[in-house]
Amino acid sequence: DTEVTQTPKHLVMGMTNKKSLKCEQHMGHRAMYWYKQKAKKPPELMFVYSYEKLSINESVPSRFSPECPNSSLLNLHLHALQPEDSALYLCASSQPPTGLRELFFGEGSRLTVL
Amino acid sequence: QKEVEQDPGPLSVPEGAIVSLNCTYSNSAFQYFMWYRQYSRKGPELLMYTYSSGNKEDGRFTAQVDKSSKYISLFIRDSQPSDSATYLCAMRGALNTGTASKLTFGTGTRLQVTL
Repeated sequence: DTEVTQTPKHLVMGMTNKKSLKCEQHMGHRAMYWYKQKAKKPPELMFVYSYEKLSINESVPSRFSPECPNSSLLNLHLHALQPEDSALYLCASSQPPTGLRELFFGEGSRLTVL
Repeated sequence: QKEVEQDPGPLSVPEGAIVSLNCTYSNSAFQYFMWYRQYSRKGPELLMYTYSSGNKEDGRFTAQVDKSSKYISLFIRDSQPSDSATYLCAMRGALNTGTASKLTFGTGTRLQVTL
């Protein structure tokens, strides 16, 4: 079983809704990531938090808003999404600075935007 | 040209076959090479990790890196139906280079092992 837990597993939302995806890890990792994955495509990096500070934002639209309340939790707040934002959203964690050799992924939250 | 090229497949093999999965890359700064396995509707899991050129073996899996050719491979011996998944190669540079902070993934190869 994965040690990175994501909730919810499935989410359907309208374009005017506000929702959040949540991620939790208890491995003591200090780097956490959000990736977006479309069908039959590799994961695309969205955000990286290192020691609870946002260190990478891959020019993600502002309708996606990340939050790292503490070293174990990572949220992704969603607002005014578009149908093309429908995808599998993956959370991952690692132990910086060398931890990038091993990302631990969660099972993902499958988002459908109507 | 993409930084990492990987044949998307699908690749269908009979049980017991030897499987060869490959990626080529263009960025000579890449030094760390990984293979992830992703089952349908699940997150990727790290399968193999290799630093620089050479071979690494773990059970039925062998990872090879040839930096001179910018080519990496994953071999699966005695393939099983449970190996059916998408295999993603991933790579990054050293910590003190611009590519260190991100993994670059291949597009993934879908493997089907049939009975």
